[in-house]
Amino acid sequence: EDQVTQSPEALRLQEGESSSLNCSYTVSGLRGLFWYRQDPGKGPEFLFTLYSAGEEKEKERLKATLTKKESFLHITAPKPEDSATYLCAVQDYGGSQGNLIFGKGTKLSVKP
Amino acid sequence: EAGVVQSPRYKIIEKKQPVAFWCNPISGHNTLYWYRQNLGQGPELLIRYENEEAVDDSQLPKDRFSAERLKGVDSTLKIQPAELGDSAVYLCASSSNGGGTGELFFGEGSRLTVL
Repeated sequence: EDQVTQSPEALRLQEGESSSLNCSYTVSGLRGLFWYRQDPGKGPEFLFTLYSAGEEKEKERLKATLTKKESFLHITAPKPEDSATYLCAVQDYGGSQGNLIFGKGTKLSVKP
Repeated sequence: EAGVVQSPRYKIIEKKQPVAFWCNPISGHNTLYWYRQNLGQGPELLIRYENEEAVDDSQLPKDRFSAERLKGVDSTLKIQPAELGDSAVYLCASSSNGGGTGELFFGEGSRLTVL
């Protein structure tokens, strides 16, 4: 069964304090790993797709990386506007009919 | 370009009452999804449509939930009768390529409270 585990559940940072969020996954065959951002009262917003181990994607202060068992979302010098819940999802070639399986998310708070 | 539109944004009902949610996807997106998100959890797929065909409804509680996507555009998700455990945010999403790149466009959701 496909599984996605995100840690920590919540993270509080000071503005400018860099850190990383973790997403570990179990799939029979990874088709893709995806990061989304979700603001309170809103739907998730797509950030990145990663397809193979070693791949990296960047967007402003965010960088996503992928290994065979986990992905990291690195946040460099965060700002208060980066506060949100970050969701990780996987797509399996063999199971879940190709649908995205989401983790519970990491709630990030960045204080000025 | 308009995003995914959902209504109502909020709904409060008594248990055993019916409720319906409506979704208008991004123009040209042939894949439409309904997800349910409980508090503190990630979204969970209820049903996926390719055009007007439901290609995956394995997680839809069919005894009380139903969905339709007439003419392959708008969609409606219905719950009848609602139970206390149905309180959640119901998210609609659409994509242009069957979700192959994982880029789904979500609406703002419909928050259901069942009393």
